[in-house]
Amino acid sequence: TQLLEQSPQFLSIQEGENLTVYCNSSSVFSSLQWYRQEPGEGPVLLVTVVTGGEVKKLKRLTFQFGDARKDSSLHITAAQPGDTGLYLCARANFGNEKLTFGTGTRLTIIP
Amino acid sequence: DTAVSQTPKYLVTQMGNDKSIKCEQNLGHDTMYWYKQDSKKFLKIMFSYNNKELIINETVPNRFSPKSPDKAHLNLHINSLELGDSAVYFCASSQGREQFFGPGTRLTVL
Repeated sequence: TQLLEQSPQFLSIQEGENLTVYCNSSSVFSSLQWYRQEPGEGPVLLVTVVTGGEVKKLKRLTFQFGDARKDSSLHITAAQPGDTGLYLCARANFGNEKLTFGTGTRLTIIP
Repeated sequence: DTAVSQTPKYLVTQMGNDKSIKCEQNLGHDTMYWYKQDSKKFLKIMFSYNNKELIINETVPNRFSPKSPDKAHLNLHINSLELGDSAVYFCASSQGREQFFGPGTRLTVL
């Protein structure tokens, strides 16, 4: 199984700070998704990136897909307590819609 | 309106028992999934059904048996529960790339 590594595993920062979390793989994948999971709930899709080098913005969140389609980053500007949660990247394999999830980053924003 | 619902939310049971978790989606999606999330929050696919037909079956013990009576429902039956089965089980559905997850069922085996 090709692992999808996320870093950092845990991140705790003050409200208003910026942060970046990473998702890395040794293999190329067809598309990558980012999900956020809050305690006691299921993951919710934030974005899907498909093209190498693609950048997508969702309010204060910026997602980038690496040129070689092996990695991705999520940057949050001016973090707020509502951003607290588990961030999961997930890759889809070529030819099917099976998702393989990353190891996750647990983000805590301190008011 | 709840898109993907699961019952029960919590399940506490003794080792060796048999239990079922039910899942229903009202999104009209063709594909449904079961995932297991362990204590380290790692989310791993177990099964996937498309229009009541099994299409993904990861390396899961055969004590786990999914059943899809129709494309809106995917239930998970677990026989002879073991301590290592304790986890949160998520049902999901999709029509295309985006997957919609249920709220999860926290299973605790004592």
